[in-house]
Amino acid sequence: ETGVTQSPTHLIKTRGQQVTLRCSSQSGHNTVSWYQQALGQGPQFIFQYYREEENGRGNFPPRFSGLQFPNYSSELNVNALELDDSALYLCASSFGDSSNGYTFGSGTRLTVV
Amino acid sequence: GQNIDQPTEMTATEGAIVQINCTYQTSGFNGLFWYQQHAGEAPTFLSYNVLDGLEEKGRFSSFLSRSKGYSYLLLKELQMKDSASYLCAPSGYSTLTFGKGTMLLVSP
Repeated sequence: ETGVTQSPTHLIKTRGQQVTLRCSSQSGHNTVSWYQQALGQGPQFIFQYYREEENGRGNFPPRFSGLQFPNYSSELNVNALELDDSALYLCASSFGDSSNGYTFGSGTRLTVV
Repeated sequence: GQNIDQPTEMTATEGAIVQINCTYQTSGFNGLFWYQQHAGEAPTFLSYNVLDGLEEKGRFSSFLSRSKGYSYLLLKELQMKDSASYLCAPSGYSTLTFGKGTMLLVSP
């Protein structure tokens, strides 16, 4: 097991720009979820991918999009960045559905200025 | 819809016992997780309850009542390193939904 790794750890972008965040899932985990965590809040569900297909989405606009690759790594893309997008973005992997629990990466701290 | 309620902040002293409550209303329910999150770090798994009752794991125990939509996390023999945010997370059909978390401050 190699755990869940995310890159980059920190990122500063300008309002209106686009950003891609990356996640490498734990070996054998075929499900990946992305969360946004604002300061002092709990993680908010963005979307989930299972076998390269999106199979659940939270209350986030279409400018938040994702991909999952055959090796179970994944990306979160955010277009037209807004100041309120500044947050910690967490990737979590699991095997099958959520009842097996999630393993979280350490996150990417995104700051939009 | 999803509605999860837990206290924002709690304080306790080293060696004491503290109980963090969580009430929830979710569409679809498989079980309930508790995660610990230290500042600037990823959440880490503490416990998972599927059936009603108490699950004990060392200094930490978790209780679930499905009919009441209620859970609590019990921390015994508190240590300074237990100062962290504790996240209640009901498991739905496809994902976990997190509460805002309870910040626990342990003082000497």
